[in-house]
Amino acid sequence: AQTVTQSQPEMSVQEAETVTLSCTYDTSENNYYLFWYKQPPSRQMILVIRQEAYKQQNATENRFSVNFQKAAKSFSLKISDSQLGDTAMYFCAFMKRWDDKIIFGKGTRLHILP
Amino acid sequence: DTGVSQNPRHKITKRGQNVTFRCDPISEHNRLYWYRQTLGQGPEFLTYFQNEAQLEKSRLLSDRFSAERPKGSFSTLEIQRTEQGDSAMYLCASSLGGPDTEAFFGQGTRLTVV
Repeated sequence: AQTVTQSQPEMSVQEAETVTLSCTYDTSENNYYLFWYKQPPSRQMILVIRQEAYKQQNATENRFSVNFQKAAKSFSLKISDSQLGDTAMYFCAFMKRWDDKIIFGKGTRLHILP
Repeated sequence: DTGVSQNPRHKITKRGQNVTFRCDPISEHNRLYWYRQTLGQGPEFLTYFQNEAQLEKSRLLSDRFSAERPKGSFSTLEIQRTEQGDSAMYLCASSLGGPDTEAFFGQGTRLTVV
């Protein structure tokens, strides 16, 4: 069975700083996807960034980038130049290729302080 | 509106009562998913549909839970004889299907069983 572990329940950083959220996962699969989802307070979950396991290049979306270490089964999210609107729960998630179940970690609550 | 819509947003019910939630996916999406999110946890997969066919159910979906998607459009999730442990946020998501497509989430229905 696949598991996703987020070891940081809560983090706070000052606006404009860079923050890194950690995630590790466990799987015996070789073809899979990894995701970071953002869930703002009282709003729907949105996809921040996605990484295909077969791609060695780390995914980047504007201020968001990942550090994907396949051998170590590590998938961290870096948020650069953090903004107040980045305040949210962030979930690391896993999905086997050709499967439709997304497996989520417990989340990291991120506070961006003015 | 092009997003996933869930109704009601909040539901308070007495233990033992039945409740039904509705999800309207993005119109062209043939995959529809239900997840449950309890406090302090990430979403957990419950079930999903390909058009009107229910393709997979989690062991979390006890006999008291039933989901339908009668015409391959909207879906309902019914919980019979609710228990306090059913209190959670119920999330619906939809996608075009396939490994390279994105799942879009609704805002969820928060159920409180008193």
